[in-house]
Amino acid sequence: DQQVKQNSPSLSVQEGRISILNCDYTNSMFDYFLWYKKYPAEGPTFLISISSIKDKNEDGRFTVFLNKSAKHLSLHIVPSQPGDSAVYFCAATPFDNTGKLIFGQGTTLQVKP
Amino acid sequence: DVKVTQSSRYLVKRTGEKVFLECVQDMDHENMFWYRQDPGLGLRLIYFSYDVKMKEKGDIPEGYSVSREKKERFSLILESASTNQTSMYLCASSYGLAGRAGELFFGEGSRLTVL
Repeated sequence: DQQVKQNSPSLSVQEGRISILNCDYTNSMFDYFLWYKKYPAEGPTFLISISSIKDKNEDGRFTVFLNKSAKHLSLHIVPSQPGDSAVYFCAATPFDNTGKLIFGQGTTLQVKP
Repeated sequence: DVKVTQSSRYLVKRTGEKVFLECVQDMDHENMFWYRQDPGLGLRLIYFSYDVKMKEKGDIPEGYSVSREKKERFSLILESASTNQTSMYLCASSYGLAGRAGELFFGEGSRLTVL
């Protein structure tokens, strides 16, 4: 039972264009969402997060949008750079004080020069 | 900078062997986690710990156990390794609730192959 789903295994975009990575969730108890980025042979690193009381959070080239009614969030990278090529994981945590993160399957982004 | 160190980057073990994966963090974080990463499945939580000698089962604890005798160290144990435990294992730590009071900091991972 995949509570956090990233239905696109891979995405390829041209340098300078927008990258949009999507994530859907099923659990209504999730109230905090995060994106992690992972390069090969390295551990994931935190990228950006959003609370369920917001619908948008921006940090430089990265913006996360949350649509609670659709249980959908997306990560926008503008402009995309070759160094952004990595696997991106969406994650969610419920408001139950366990501190557990539930991750999606990941989307491999390739930014072509 | 927070550092989470996993003792072995690559291991090859035989079916039935006992395997220890060690993880040490240097930021006095209360919470530590073990995930495994598999293609198409993302990161799945095996076990986590909120404090010394405390442990909680994650989503896929079967075939694994953990030990947390000291705050900075969290060990994952495969009592009898099987081929379906071939995977990338990722240790993480956080201060407070992951994603709120503190983000998860990951180690570089341990790639385990069970033959």
